[in-house]
This record gives sequence, structure tokens and C-alpha cells, in this order.
Amino acid sequence: DAGVTQSPTHLIKTRGQQVTLRCSPKSGHDTVSWYQQALGQGPQFIFQYYEEEERQRGNFPDRFSGHQFPNYSSELNVNALLLGDSALYLCASSLVISGELFFGEGSRLTVL
Amino acid sequence: DAKTTQPPSMDCAEGRAANLPCNHSTISGNEYVYWYRQIHSQGPQYIIHGLKNNETNEMASLIITEDRKSSTLILPHATLRDTAVYYCIVRVVGNAGNMLTFGGGTRLMVKP
Repeated sequence: DAGVTQSPTHLIKTRGQQVTLRCSPKSGHDTVSWYQQALGQGPQFIFQYYEEEERQRGNFPDRFSGHQFPNYSSELNVNALLLGDSALYLCASSLVISGELFFGEGSRLTVL
Repeated sequence: DAKTTQPPSMDCAEGRAANLPCNHSTISGNEYVYWYRQIHSQGPQYIIHGLKNNETNEMASLIITEDRKSSTLILPHATLRDTAVYYCIVRVVGNAGNMLTFGGGTRLMVKP
């Protein structure tokens, strides 16, 4: 039973570029959440998707957007990258919107 | 969600019990206490959660005080693989979503 998978695992971008990160939820899970973790800090909630709609959103600007597909997989898009966007981006899935979260290994983004 | 307070770091000898405290003095009656851990370069891993009764699973035990203002996570026989950052989180369980608010956590170092 595959857990939460994320791609790519590492990537490097330059300021002003755009990035797309991808997540496949654990088998049977229908809800996907995204978190940002800066170096030395705890993860911060970005948003949650359920039934292909954004259900909750944390304190992140509109440069951060997402999408959930009919197969429950999800993408996180970040436009106009800033140096401060350098972080580990974690995807978590759950069975139903209130279920326990299972995290992937993350995508490490470096913005130069 | 209520805030939690944890010591920034702790050491534990291998084979001994690790007792990680958490203060959540402003917890509401409908908020659960959750524990996650994050081993270096991996995504957070769910450990255990509880409302007011003590809980035990194959990973750990959770002791919640009677007034619910604090709790202790116990790893009964710590191993080197338990070296990680441990996060104590309180959250409401319901259909409003499962967003987690991470604090700084406790960095547990298990030493030989």
C-alpha cells in the first residue's frame, strides 16, 4: 500500500519563476493538505482540498494556489517566487476531511 | 486551536523511557491532544492522540492530566531511531477540517 508520494523531491528555481509540485495521496484517501516548512521551523498550513475544492486556507498570499484532480491527486503552484519561498513543501492526505493526516517526504524547493 | 508549550530540547539515554511534556493550559473542552514526530529530512509521522483519558499504542503512551492543561508523551524504551522533533498539537476533531498548527516542538536526542 503506497503512502503519500510527492514529486519532485528536490528542485532549484530562480526568483520570479513559477513552480508546480505534485502529490499522490495514500490509497483510499480523498483529502489533501499542503504545508510549508522553513528550515528550523514547524510546518505551516497552506491549504486543504476536498472534492476538488479548496476547503481551508492558511495565511499565505494568492501566489500560492492549488488544484485537486478527480483521482484525488493534487498540485501546489507558486508564482513569482521569492527567496523566502525556499522551504520543504509537505503534502498530507487523509480519509475524509477530518481524518488523521499522513505526510509525504516532501519536496525541497530552493529559490536563488 | 489552542497554543502549546514544549521544551525546545531533551536528551534521553538509549533503552530508558523518554518523557516529553506539553503544556496546553488554554485547551477547550472539544479539543484533542495530538502528537507527531519528524525524523530528520522526513515528513511528520502521527504517534498518538487523546481527549481526556490516557492512551497507549504500539509506539507510545499519552498521559493527560485531569484538568487537561498538560500532557506527557512517553516512549517506554527509547532507541536511537527515536531521535526526532516531537510536536504536541491541540485541535478540534470534526467536519471543519483537520488543519494542524505546529509549534516549535521538542528536539529529542537519544544517546547511546
